[in-house]
Amino acid sequence: SQKIEQNSEALNIQEGKTATLTCNYTNYSPAYLQWYRQDPGRGPVFLLLIRENEKEKRKERLKVTFDTTLKQSLFHITASQPADSATYLCALPTDSWGKLQFGAGTQVVVTP
Amino acid sequence: NAGVMQNPRHLVRRRGQEARLRCSPMKGHSHVYWYRQLPEEGLKFMVYLQKENIIDESGMPKERFSAEFPKEGPSILRIQQVVRGDSAAYFCASSGTGAATGELFFGEGSRLTVL
Repeated sequence: SQKIEQNSEALNIQEGKTATLTCNYTNYSPAYLQWYRQDPGRGPVFLLLIRENEKEKRKERLKVTFDTTLKQSLFHITASQPADSATYLCALPTDSWGKLQFGAGTQVVVTP
Repeated sequence: NAGVMQNPRHLVRRRGQEARLRCSPMKGHSHVYWYRQLPEEGLKFMVYLQKENIIDESGMPKERFSAEFPKEGPSILRIQQVVRGDSAAYFCASSGTGAATGELFFGEGSRLTVL
């Protein structure tokens, strides 16, 4: 069955440093992969989408890579700020349009 | 331009009662998805609907749960005879017709507590 793995341990990082999160998947050949941010008590918010033919995508201080051979995506937050503290979810499409399967998420805590 | 609206935000029910959760998608969106998030767990897909049609309900429990998206009005997720295990956050998401990115827009969720 399809499986998505994200590091379940919280990532504690000092302000200004780069946070790197990992998303590994098995039994998938996704056409794209998405990353979302979720704050406590709130709904997820879309951040970035990267397609299978793209190696890297950037948006402001965010960078996503997608290695379809390794079946892995890396999510980087550069020059991290306390406001970046949240849980970050990766998501992949399954067998129908818009039906995304989500990883359990990795919590990021940025301390001043 | 209002986003996805869910209500109620919080709902408390006793075991055996019914819970009705409502979702109004973003303006112009005709695809609605319901996800459930249990404490300390990830989002789990439940059902995908378009106007008047259930497209994919493979994530819905076989009993007590139903969903609809009528021609007029919000999408409704209905849970009959609730049990404590139904306590969770229920998120609705919408996407536009022919959206190229597959991006989902989520509401803030409805948090169901079953006593």
